[in-house]
Amino acid sequence: DAKTTQPPSMDCAEGRAANLPCNHSTISGNEYVYWYRQIHSQGPQYIIHGLKNNETNEMASLIITEDRKSSTLILPHATLRDTAVYYCIVRATSGTYKYIFGTGTRLKVLA
Amino acid sequence: GAVVSQHPSWVICKSGTSVKIECRSLDFQATTMFWYRQFPKQSLMLMATSNEGSKATYEQGVEKDKFLINHASLTLSTLTVTSAHPEDSSFYICSAIGHTNEKLFFGSGTQLSVL
Repeated sequence: DAKTTQPPSMDCAEGRAANLPCNHSTISGNEYVYWYRQIHSQGPQYIIHGLKNNETNEMASLIITEDRKSSTLILPHATLRDTAVYYCIVRATSGTYKYIFGTGTRLKVLA
Repeated sequence: GAVVSQHPSWVICKSGTSVKIECRSLDFQATTMFWYRQFPKQSLMLMATSNEGSKATYEQGVEKDKFLINHASLTLSTLTVTSAHPEDSSFYICSAIGHTNEKLFFGSGTQLSVL
């Protein structure tokens, strides 16, 4: 079973920041938080991942709470092309390291 | 980023025939590949995990004789849907991870329609 919970859907105005929350209250110390997104009828695309520190790359920022029980993916300036389903996954990088997808958040960016 | 190529993108077949889907890692050696299936408006469901040179590990409820997985090399894995039936119609997605075991890269998916 997936170890994360996310809101099923969100809307965001184009040009505004999109903040997508994820709850992973049972995360273990060796598990990373990964974010992927899936645009309709395509394979998921990697966005970002982190362990405990906040991370930023060219696509997004990842904010992980100090207790690591939740995180937020931030798309700083959402565009229409960011409309997709966003998945938050927790996964260890050793031992059993399967990627189990939850239900994700369907983000709709509005013009 | 790393590229995973999946072929074919879509396939239509008659009930009772077998269909093979290929998944290739183009610029890295894939020590492990994962196969998923996805029904419309649903999330990805992990079917099996395959390591190069060894038998695939199937998730509970996935028939290993129905979905044959071969991972013969570090760059190629195949999924064969044997004796396909209409209920096997789905979007199948492969993914691969390399030695660093850090990021999972996905193919573009295969839409299978069984008539």
